[in-house]
Amino acid sequence: DQQVKQNSPSLSVQEGRISILNCDYTNSMFDYFLWYKKYPAEGPTFLISISSIKDKNEDGRFTVFLNKSAKHLSLHIVPSQPGDSAVYFCAVNTNAGKSTFGDGTTLTVKP
Amino acid sequence: DGGITQSPKYLFRKEGQNVTLSCEQNLNHDAMYWYRQDPGQGLRLIYYSQIVNDFQKGDIAEGYSVSREKKESFPLTVTSAQKNPTAFYLCASAGTGGVSAGEQYFGPGTRLTVT
Repeated sequence: DQQVKQNSPSLSVQEGRISILNCDYTNSMFDYFLWYKKYPAEGPTFLISISSIKDKNEDGRFTVFLNKSAKHLSLHIVPSQPGDSAVYFCAVNTNAGKSTFGDGTTLTVKP
Repeated sequence: DGGITQSPKYLFRKEGQNVTLSCEQNLNHDAMYWYRQDPGQGLRLIYYSQIVNDFQKGDIAEGYSVSREKKESFPLTVTSAQKNPTAFYLCASAGTGGVSAGEQYFGPGTRLTVT
């Protein structure tokens, strides 16, 4: 049973608009929730995280929202730029140091 | 400058041969991880190690082996027992001290093709 699900394999938005990427999880015991960005044939790079005790964390154009009652995580990118085009993975961590990743959402930002 | 290196970037092997993928980090991180990515899928955890001389199986450890003799190094051996070894392999490391979300730092990956 998949613990982390990204139900949208792809998302296309216009430059300057908001991109919203979504992630659902099944286990209430996760401590941290993270987003990574990945370009083809490269390793993922860490983008932003949120603790389970918070509901929002912001870093520049990137904001992550956590809805614990719905077991739902979202990443907002505003304004979207063509350089944001990549695959975005959400991941969940426990204090044991193990991460579980979703299958990813491919974001395309059109100029 | 600090980071994680994986070598080589592309690796080709014949079926039935064992192959070892290299992963080195100079970030002074205690934890290291190996993942496998297949087309259209996420990252699946093969093995991880939180301290030198100790490691645990991940979700898909069958057909793989690792060692952690040094803090900086976490090589992965893909054995002939792995049924579908062709994939993109990613190594990562993470710090374990202090207040941290456990974010992982990834190497550039090794694409292994077995024919």
